[in-house]
Amino acid sequence: SQKIEQNSEALNIQEGKTATLTCNYTNYSPAYLQWYRQDPGRGPVFLLLIRENEKEKRKERLKVTFDTTLKQSLFHITASQPADSATYLCALRLSGGYNKLIFGAGTRLAVHP
Amino acid sequence: DAMVIQNPRYQVTQFGKPVTLSCSQTLNHNVMYWYQQKSSQAPKLLFHYYDKDFNNEADTPDNFQSRRPNTSFCFLDIRSPGLGDAAMYLCATSRDIKETQYFGPGTRLLVL
Repeated sequence: SQKIEQNSEALNIQEGKTATLTCNYTNYSPAYLQWYRQDPGRGPVFLLLIRENEKEKRKERLKVTFDTTLKQSLFHITASQPADSATYLCALRLSGGYNKLIFGAGTRLAVHP
Repeated sequence: DAMVIQNPRYQVTQFGKPVTLSCSQTLNHNVMYWYQQKSSQAPKLLFHYYDKDFNNEADTPDNFQSRRPNTSFCFLDIRSPGLGDAAMYLCATSRDIKETQYFGPGTRLLVL
């Protein structure tokens, strides 16, 4: 069966450290992968997109890697701040004619002062 | 600012009483989506409109319907809400079907 897995346990880290979140998938051939941030009671906000032929993408303190052999994406936040505390969702866009965006359930990040 | 707006932010309805949630956008995007998200779960796509073309997901219950009277507005109608329909309902838009989706703030539905 097709699955997207994100760690359901919250990630607690100290301010200033690098947070690393994982997205694993099985039985998909994604054209690209996206990361979204979701605050409690709010809609997801798009952060970064990485395509199947890209290994790494950066935006300010954010970095995403994509390994289609391991079927895994890593999402890094460097110099983390309490304001980075939120749930982070990964989403896959499948290749071919199937247009659906498939979301993971997200991992909650808590950055402590 | 161009944006996706959802009203109301919180909606309380009674078991079996029809309810309508609304979404509007100022982005002039072609595609509008409705997702259901339950606590600590992934957003689940219910259906989407590409312009006037309606695309239903195979596992979306018949109890859920949608209308898109014009480019800017899209409605989610729940004909007979059950307790299991209590969730956050998210509207999203994208310029085209494979482009980035932009979400509204969501409507939290409570069914009593």
